[in-house]
Amino acid sequence: QKEVEQNSGPLSVPEGAIASLNCTYSDRGSQSFFWYRQYSGKSPELIMSIYSNGDKEDGRFTAQLNKASQYVSLLIRDSQPSDSATYLCAVPDSGGSNYKLTFGKGTLLTVNP
Amino acid sequence: DAGVTQSPTHLIKTRGQQVTLRCSPKSGHDTVSWYQQALGQGPQFIFQYYEEEERQRGNFPDRFSGHQFPNYSSELNVNALLLGDSALYLCASSSWETQYFGPGTRLLVL
Repeated sequence: QKEVEQNSGPLSVPEGAIASLNCTYSDRGSQSFFWYRQYSGKSPELIMSIYSNGDKEDGRFTAQLNKASQYVSLLIRDSQPSDSATYLCAVPDSGGSNYKLTFGKGTLLTVNP
Repeated sequence: DAGVTQSPTHLIKTRGQQVTLRCSPKSGHDTVSWYQQALGQGPQFIFQYYEEEERQRGNFPDRFSGHQFPNYSSELNVNALLLGDSALYLCASSSWETQYFGPGTRLLVL
């Protein structure tokens, strides 16, 4: 049974700070990883995907992947109150990104003005 | 280009009833997955449809069934509703890569 673990939080950071969200996964064969953002009462929205070891940057977001440690993280620079949401880490089955996603429980982030 | 759409947005049912939820995938997507999200939890995979066949199934009882139509739209049916079926039901569509979620259907079972 594939497992994805996240700290449930809440994680509270001041506006302008860096928020660091972490995720570990159990299946060493996993090849792709996704971060979704979910505002309260809304559906998950994809914000980042990462497939290779190292860092991937997209605007204020940076995803970091370390397959040897089975660890993926999301950094949000210059955090804004609008970033306040639950962040979900998701890992697909070994069949590929198009297959079943296993999600962590999510980390609730609050950015304080 | 419309994204993933779901209907209805909200639904209230009583125990023992049956419900049908509907999903239209994003244009160009041929795969539809259904997830259940209970309050405070991450989405849990129910099943996935591709080429009108159930390709994968999660750990959900047979009360949960589905269908995919030739135009790739999909239905989720739940029979003999239980209080514990109250949740946000999410549909995700995909092609080769990323899964994109619809707005969800919030089901309340009384």
